[in-house]
Amino acid sequence: EPEVTQTPSHQVTQMGQEVILRCVPISNHLYFYWYRQILGQKVEFLVSFYNNEISEKSEIFDDQFSVERPDGSNFTLKIRSTKLEDSAMYFCASSYNEQFFGPGTRLTVL
Amino acid sequence: AQSVTQLGSHVSVSEGALVLLRCNYSSSVPPYLFWYVQYPNQGLQLLLKYTTGATLVKGINGFEAEFKKSETSFHLTKPSAHMSDAAEYFCAVSEWGAQKLVFGQGTRLTINP
Repeated sequence: EPEVTQTPSHQVTQMGQEVILRCVPISNHLYFYWYRQILGQKVEFLVSFYNNEISEKSEIFDDQFSVERPDGSNFTLKIRSTKLEDSAMYFCASSYNEQFFGPGTRLTVL
Repeated sequence: AQSVTQLGSHVSVSEGALVLLRCNYSSSVPPYLFWYVQYPNQGLQLLLKYTTGATLVKGINGFEAEFKKSETSFHLTKPSAHMSDAAEYFCAVSEWGAQKLVFGQGTRLTINP
């Protein structure tokens, strides 16, 4: 069964460093998303991506964040200068008409 | 704007007992409604969804949910709890199938032997 994959599973970084979280969506899906879940809190929408551009973004998704689909298979989330409060589980999802989630990347900012 | 409220951050039931997890939503348009389950250290797995049509929807692992428009509710039930059902359950709403999901706070389900 096709699935969304994410790498790495756990990323530890120093505050102020750039990180790139990678996702491989399901191949025939058209919509791509990033969500995050701060420990003990609900899952929050960050951004959606369709037809090679951002279709919607939340207020969390400020100038420190960017997304890219550099080739036909990968979908990346970049955080330019990480803050302590960026520590969270980041989930990638893809959709044709319902969203399938990856296993997540746990980002720890020290 | 859409929102989801899950009543009870923690629900505990005995093995074999009825599971009832409550979800109320707010939406200005006919909603698409979802229940996801998250096992420890894993991602989100879709349990079931309501889009249109039959208001009682059946999902995986014996779960079902009923869309009640008059009550703006989408409660999740399972007649007989199993130890393997212990997990975090999230209710979510969207305006259409591929639009962003708005999640509730989640309900942690504990099953007592």
